[in-house]
Amino acid sequence: KNQVEQSPQSLIILEGKNCTLQCNYTVSPFSNLRWYKQDTGRGPVSLTIMTFSENTKSNGRYTATLDADTKQSSLHITASQLSDSASYICVVSEWGGTSYGKLTFGQGTILTVHP
Amino acid sequence: DAGVIQSPRHEVTEMGQEVTLRCKPISGHDYLFWYRQTMMRGLELLIYFNNNVPIDDSGMPEDRFSAKMPNASFSTLKIQPSEPRDSAVYFCASSSGTSGSPQETQYFGPGTRLLVL
Repeated sequence: KNQVEQSPQSLIILEGKNCTLQCNYTVSPFSNLRWYKQDTGRGPVSLTIMTFSENTKSNGRYTATLDADTKQSSLHITASQLSDSASYICVVSEWGGTSYGKLTFGQGTILTVHP
Repeated sequence: DAGVIQSPRHEVTEMGQEVTLRCKPISGHDYLFWYRQTMMRGLELLIYFNNNVPIDDSGMPEDRFSAKMPNASFSTLKIQPSEPRDSAVYFCASSSGTSGSPQETQYFGPGTRLLVL
């Protein structure tokens, strides 16, 4: 059964500090992995999308890494800001050929940044 | 572009009533997705459309749920009859390609918060 496990479930850090969120998956065959940021009361917003051949991708202060061999991904946030407080969701897509690949969602990591 | 538009933003109804959620995707996007999010189960894909045609509805929980997309700019998700366990936030998202494409990004609407009493 395809699974996506995220850790930690929640994290509290001080403004300006760095942090790393983890995502382990068992989805196969693999197509791509996405990280979403979801602010409270809003829809998820895409941060990064990585395919099998990509090891790292950045979006501003967000840097995602992917190790397709160990089926692990991480999202690193540099110099955190109060606005980074949100839920971060890892989503892994199965390869569907010419069709849409089935998605498996992680439960998310809730990040709280304190001043 | 205004982004994905959903209505209503909040809905409170009594068990047994019919509920209709509405979505307007981003113009030009040919994929539309309906999701449900709860604390217990997280985010779940219910159904998706491609060019107004339902492609995969395997995530729809049961026959009480139905979705339609009569044209490229409008979709509905209907629950009849509603039950308390349907209480959740329902998101609509749209994209211009398949999940297999690295360029494809899904854009989510603000969601409809449904409470069934």
